[in-house]
Amino acid sequence: KAGVTQTPRYLIKTRGQQVTLSCSPISGHRSVSWYQQTPGQGLQFLFEYFSETQRNKGNFPGRFSGRQFSNSRSEMNVSTLELGDSALYLCASSRQERSSYNSPLHFGNGTRLTVT
Amino acid sequence: GESVGLHLPTLSVQEGDNSIINCAYSNSASDYFIWYKQESGKGPQFIIDIRSNMDKRQGQRVTVLLNKTVKHLSLQIAATQPGDSAVYFCAEQGGKLIFGQGTELSVKP
Repeated sequence: KAGVTQTPRYLIKTRGQQVTLSCSPISGHRSVSWYQQTPGQGLQFLFEYFSETQRNKGNFPGRFSGRQFSNSRSEMNVSTLELGDSALYLCASSRQERSSYNSPLHFGNGTRLTVT
Repeated sequence: GESVGLHLPTLSVQEGDNSIINCAYSNSASDYFIWYKQESGKGPQFIIDIRSNMDKRQGQRVTVLLNKTVKHLSLQIAATQPGDSAVYFCAEQGGKLIFGQGTELSVKP
């Protein structure tokens, strides 16, 4: 069974640009969550989608947005990039709407975004 | 705010010894807890989970203990191996899944 797939693996952008990251969940998983990971802040929750609807949102500015498609694949977009957006962006999927017993989050290997 | 934190940022153990990684949480309403392992260049990998109605759960070489009275969670790794070297995160589910800062486990051969 294929795991969570994130593309691209690495990305370099300049300030002011926008970026779109893609995530394909494990087959059969309908929930997709996005996390930002930095050395200083650790894993910070961005948002969660289930059945194409955003169910939960973290404390990030509106420059961070996402969506989920009918096949459960998800994308996140960051507009007007800032240097502080440099991070590892992780996507995770689970069968149920929220991580729970027997339905934990499974993570991809992330997209490393560098903003210069 | 509510958070999940780790007592020790780094832990160094000898190969073959047992490792214990600790975690404190503050949300008494959390009903589900998970441990993840993250190796360099990879995403977090699920290790073991436990529901709040349990106080102990065992997997292969790993055991998670939950003490709800003091809001404490621990991960025990038996016979630690070099391949166990990684950052370990605890996480609590009490609405949103909240992660601790992580503990880096280093295994000396």
